Amino acid sequence: SAVISQKPSRDICQRGTSLTIQCQVDSQVTMMFWYRQQPGQSLTLIATANQGSEATYESGFVIDKFPISRPNLTFSTLTVSNMSPEDSSIYLCSVEPGQSGKTQYFGPGTRLLVL
Amino acid sequence: GNSVTQMEGPVTLSEEAFLTINCTYTATGYPSLFWYVQYPGEGLQLLLKATKADDKGSNKGFEATYRKETTSFHLEKGSVQVSDSAVYFCALTGGGGSNYKLTFGKGTLLTVNP
Repeated sequence: SAVISQKPSRDICQRGTSLTIQCQVDSQVTMMFWYRQQPGQSLTLIATANQGSEATYESGFVIDKFPISRPNLTFSTLTVSNMSPEDSSIYLCSVEPGQSGKTQYFGPGTRLLVL
Repeated sequence: GNSVTQMEGPVTLSEEAFLTINCTYTATGYPSLFWYVQYPGEGLQLLLKATKADDKGSNKGFEATYRKETTSFHLEKGSVQVSDSAVYFCALTGGGGSNYKLTFGKGTLLTVNP
């Protein structure tokens, strides 16, 4: 498994602003992912964060709205840009350590409320 | 594409009752199957997994068996506790889709009363 931390754990933001969420892992991992969990809903994959290359976005998510950085094998950031109340969600990062048979482990999440 | 259907909640049980949360899936090939649990105010934790047909995943008294013939992965526990109150997500990866993209069910809220 892996120990994953996220910052901030929660935030309240004004519409039109941006928030950057950090994800730190205690070991080097190739695969890191960002998910969104809207209130009362399941999880939806936003993008796969690739070290040394651009992130791969899922249908319905674009880089201008959710820019992602992956500067090394233990760290990634997700920015939620030009926020609106519809962006109020829990944002979770996950990792697949590679030796765990496709198993992903999740961080504690960042709870975002946009007013 | 892949999909996961799980039992609609909420489910309310008394302590020591038997729990079943149904999960069925649609996928080609042989996906890996997972149950994740989300306790109030927390992120997702892996509860158990199974990677091939007839495998049984187990953890903390919970069990689920990978049934290829019925495309199911039902979660069971013989005697629930108040501390099991949480949202449970069934998920899969692989199986003709992406090897890494997790497809989740909608989640089932379980409340256990003392």
